[in-house]
Amino acid sequence: KAGVTQTPRYLIKTRGQQVTLSCSPISGHRSVSWYQQTPGQGLQFLFEYFSETQRNKGNFPGRFSGRQFSNSRSEMNVSTLELGDSALYLCASSLLVGTETQYFGPGTRLLVL
Amino acid sequence: GESVGLHLPTLSVQEGDNSIINCAYSNSASDYFIWYKQESGKGPQFIIDIRSNMDKRQGQRVTVLLNKTVKHLSLQIAATQPGDSAVYFCAENAGGTSYGKLTFGQGTILTVHP
Repeated sequence: KAGVTQTPRYLIKTRGQQVTLSCSPISGHRSVSWYQQTPGQGLQFLFEYFSETQRNKGNFPGRFSGRQFSNSRSEMNVSTLELGDSALYLCASSLLVGTETQYFGPGTRLLVL
Repeated sequence: GESVGLHLPTLSVQEGDNSIINCAYSNSASDYFIWYKQESGKGPQFIIDIRSNMDKRQGQRVTVLLNKTVKHLSLQIAATQPGDSAVYFCAENAGGTSYGKLTFGQGTILTVHP
């Protein structure tokens, strides 16, 4: 069974631009969570989706948003990029409610110049 | 100002030794705990999990111990191998309306010397 896939793997943007990252969960998984990983803050929860509904959101500004499609694929968007948004963005999927094991993708490395 | 990076604890062991990685968690309501391994350039990889109604769980070469009284979690790796070198994270989920929110520890860098 294929794992969690994320595209693109690497991205370079400039301040003020926006970016959209994509995540395809493991087949049959319906919960998708997003995390930001930086050297300064570690791994931080962004948001979680199930059945196209956001069920939980971390402490990030409104520039960070996401959505989930009917096939459980998810996207996250960051608008008006700031230098501090440079990070590894990780997506994780789990079978149902999110409190089972979460399996992570390889991440998207975003660099904001 | 300039952000300061996390100073991760480090553990250095010889190949064949047993390793113990510790984690203190903060939320007494957490009822599900996971250990992940992250190698350079990769996403976190699931190692083992444990629910709060258990004190110990064993996998292949790994054991997780949970002490709810002092909110402490440990990961024991038997016969550590060079391929075990990575950053290890503990994560907790508070259940209920936390849904898929995992709260991660800062991580521990494990280096295994041949």
